[in-house]
Amino acid sequence: EPEVTQTPSHQVTQMGQEVILRCVPISNHLYFYWYRQILGQKVEFLVSFYNNEISEKSEIFDDQFSVERPDGSNFTLKIRSTKLEDSAMYFCASSAAGFYNEQFFGPGTRLTVL
Amino acid sequence: QQQVKQSPQSLIVQKGGISIINCAYENTAFDYFPWYQQFPGKGPALLIAIRPDVSEKKEGRFTISFNKSAKQFSLHIMDSQPGDSATYFCAATSAGNKLTFGGGTRVLVKP
Repeated sequence: EPEVTQTPSHQVTQMGQEVILRCVPISNHLYFYWYRQILGQKVEFLVSFYNNEISEKSEIFDDQFSVERPDGSNFTLKIRSTKLEDSAMYFCASSAAGFYNEQFFGPGTRLTVL
Repeated sequence: QQQVKQSPQSLIVQKGGISIINCAYENTAFDYFPWYQQFPGKGPALLIAIRPDVSEKKEGRFTISFNKSAKQFSLHIMDSQPGDSATYFCAATSAGNKLTFGGGTRVLVKP
């Protein structure tokens, strides 16, 4: 069964460092998302991406964040200068179409900022 | 107005019992309400979903009840099994784009 994969499963970084979280969405999917979940809190939407551009972003997704689909298979989330409060589980999701189609989630990357 | 409130935060039920999780929303533009199930170390997986033009949807042991006027919806897990032990998230979306999640309910089914 096709699935969304994410690497690494756990990333530890120092405050101020750049991190890149990687995702491989399901191959025929067209819509891509990043969500995050701070420990003990709800899953929060960060950004959606379609046709090689951001279609929507939340207030959390500030200038420190960027997304890219560099090669037609990977979908990356970059945090330019990490803060302590960026520590969270980051989930990538993809869907075949934007409207009412199931979003399939990856297993997540746990980011720890020290 | 974008919030989805979920209760309870945790739930313990005996095998064979009924688990009930409730969610409430404020944004009347929400038009699709999925429930996700998450096991430890895994991402959320879609369990069942409903649109507001129906009041109930059943798939196997899982039923969503939807009350549009009260802006509430709930998940019922009938004949709960130990394998149902997981965290359940309600969510809502408008036009099928970003999901707004509830806070999650950790369900433990005791054998």
